[in-house]
Amino acid sequence: AQSVSQHNHHVILSEAASLELGCNYSYGGTVNLFWYVQYPGQHLQLLLKYFSGDPLVKGIKGFEAEFIKSKFSFNLRKPSVQWSDTAEYFCAVRSGGYNKLIFGAGTRLAVHP
Amino acid sequence: GAGVSQTPSNKVTEKGKYVELRCDPISGHTALYWYRQSLGQGPEFLIYFQGTGAADDSGLPNDRFFAVRPEGSVSTLKIQRTERGDSAVYLCASSLDSTTSGANVLTFGAGSRLTVL
Repeated sequence: AQSVSQHNHHVILSEAASLELGCNYSYGGTVNLFWYVQYPGQHLQLLLKYFSGDPLVKGIKGFEAEFIKSKFSFNLRKPSVQWSDTAEYFCAVRSGGYNKLIFGAGTRLAVHP
Repeated sequence: GAGVSQTPSNKVTEKGKYVELRCDPISGHTALYWYRQSLGQGPEFLIYFQGTGAADDSGLPNDRFFAVRPEGSVSTLKIQRTERGDSAVYLCASSLDSTTSGANVLTFGAGSRLTVL
């Protein structure tokens, strides 16, 4: 069965620190990869996605993610976080033959001023 | 509409009661998905529709859960004989289609928070 692992459940950073959130998935074939963000009191929003092509994907608000096929990973990065990045971040995978997204458990990020 | 609309936003019910949750997708989106999110967890897939038909209902936990989309637009998730364990946020999402192309990006609604007492 497909599965998605997000290794960090809670991350606490100071403003201007760099961020990297891990995401690993279990499926070995063609995958579509996503990061969604949920700000406090708001609904899930798409941060970035990978379908094909350049494995380094840039999203909104300065976020980027790199697809490394050999490591089954799609880690999210941001060079300098802001207090407004405080949110919960979800990695999701859709693999060949399945049209549903499978989500990880999420990483709760708190950024302190 | 401009986004995915879900009603009610909050529903409190008693154990054993019947509940309906409604989702109005983005206009023109043919695919519609239901997810369930429990506290501290990621969204868990329940069912998705392509048009009027349920293309994959493998995530429905048991036969108390049922969903319909009779005209290919609005969908209703129905839960019979509710149990305390059904308490969660029920999320609806829609997308242009359900292929593996770039058009298949899910847009989520705000969710319906169900509390079973």
